[in-house]
Amino acid sequence: NAGVTQTPKFQVLKTGQSMTLQCAQDMNHEYMSWYRQDPGMGLRLIHYSVGAGITDQGEVPNGYNVSRSTTEDFPLRLLSAAPSQTSVYFCASMLGQGHQPQHFGDGTRLSIL
Amino acid sequence: AQTVTQSQPEMSVQEAETVTLSCTYDTSESNYYLFWYKQPPSRQMILVIRQEAYKQQNATENRFSVNFQKAAKSFSLKISDSQLGDTAMYFCAFMKRTSGSRLTFGEGTQLTVNP
Repeated sequence: NAGVTQTPKFQVLKTGQSMTLQCAQDMNHEYMSWYRQDPGMGLRLIHYSVGAGITDQGEVPNGYNVSRSTTEDFPLRLLSAAPSQTSVYFCASMLGQGHQPQHFGDGTRLSIL
Repeated sequence: AQTVTQSQPEMSVQEAETVTLSCTYDTSESNYYLFWYKQPPSRQMILVIRQEAYKQQNATENRFSVNFQKAAKSFSLKISDSQLGDTAMYFCAFMKRTSGSRLTFGEGTQLTVNP
């Protein structure tokens, strides 16, 4: 059972380049989320999804797009990378409402030059 | 909107001793969950303990326990018999009962356990 799988683990981009961070879960979880982690700020919610075909914005959505065409996959797209998007990105999934634990991926460290 | 505050950026404790990490939160909600997550240097996010706001009894998980004070909006984590493997960043997090999977995190407390 792989859990939540994020790829790649590390990436360096140039300003203006586009990229998709992949997230897949094999637990048939309804809920999936993307967070970014910056030094001294904890994790902040970028986008989330409560099921296939349904997405919504979190706290810091600007510069990012998401889609949820299947239950398993929840990719995060940077259309035009900016240095301010340098961060560690975490994908998480959860079976149901808050009484269930969230499962996190191992994170993607992204650097924008 | 909810906010979560961890006022201790760094703490240290001697092995085998007890340490308490503080967390306060602000919300107008009555139904919610509170969590403590551990992030070791490996970067993994590991759930330590979970508290349901409608339960008065404080949650415990082996050496980890919480002091949940709903009226004061306080949610501290006590680690007993600290071990070297407890060295990590600890995050307090809040989730509304009806918010799906949306977590609001505090800034984190870096805990170092010294031999």
